[in-house]
Amino acid sequence: GENVEQHPSTLSVQEGDSAVIKCTYSDSASNYFPWYKQELGKGPQLIIDIRSNVGEKKDQRIAVTLNKTAKHFSLHITETQPEDSAVYFCAAVGEFTGGGNKLTFGTGTQLKVEL
Amino acid sequence: GAGVSQSPRYKVAKRGQDVALRCDPISGHVSLFWYQQALGQGPEFLTYFQNEAQLDKSGLPSDRFFAERPEGSVSTLKIQRTQQEDSAVYLCASSPRPREYDEQYFGPGTRLTVT
Repeated sequence: GENVEQHPSTLSVQEGDSAVIKCTYSDSASNYFPWYKQELGKGPQLIIDIRSNVGEKKDQRIAVTLNKTAKHFSLHITETQPEDSAVYFCAAVGEFTGGGNKLTFGTGTQLKVEL
Repeated sequence: GAGVSQSPRYKVAKRGQDVALRCDPISGHVSLFWYQQALGQGPEFLTYFQNEAQLDKSGLPSDRFFAERPEGSVSTLKIQRTQQEDSAVYLCASSPRPREYDEQYFGPGTRLTVT
């Protein structure tokens, strides 16, 4: 099955700096890669996603890049703000068999934005 | 509108007790997922329903875990004879259709502690 690795596990940046989180996946059939933000006591919330036919996607301060050949994808947050502090998870959806687009998650990155 | 809700939010069970965790998905959502999130880890897939049909239960860790969605809306995850290793946050997610790229909307989770 799919295996997703995520680095770093913790990341501390100064307010206004950029943050980058990287993930690799194992299943070459995977073709959908969402990123989730999880705040304390809450469920994960989708912040951006990318499909395998696209190399980069941007939404305001957040961007995601995908390299299918190398099987890795990254989240980029620019101009970080204190409210960006949370745990971020990358995920991958493997070959869609009609049994549901179940997600395989990375282990998470605790992002702390310091004033 | 209303999101995914889960109850109870917190559950403490003595080892050997049975527990039932409830998920109310977003109205009209066809797909429903259960995930287990251990402390400091990413969510792990447990099971998937398309309407009332349980199409994938490959992630259920043992036969002590049972899930149902009898009318295609509310779902219940039941754990029999709880063990300490069952302590985790149990997340429910729903999705409008069983399509590969549909966003999954997560509930806040139920934190289960087995003592």
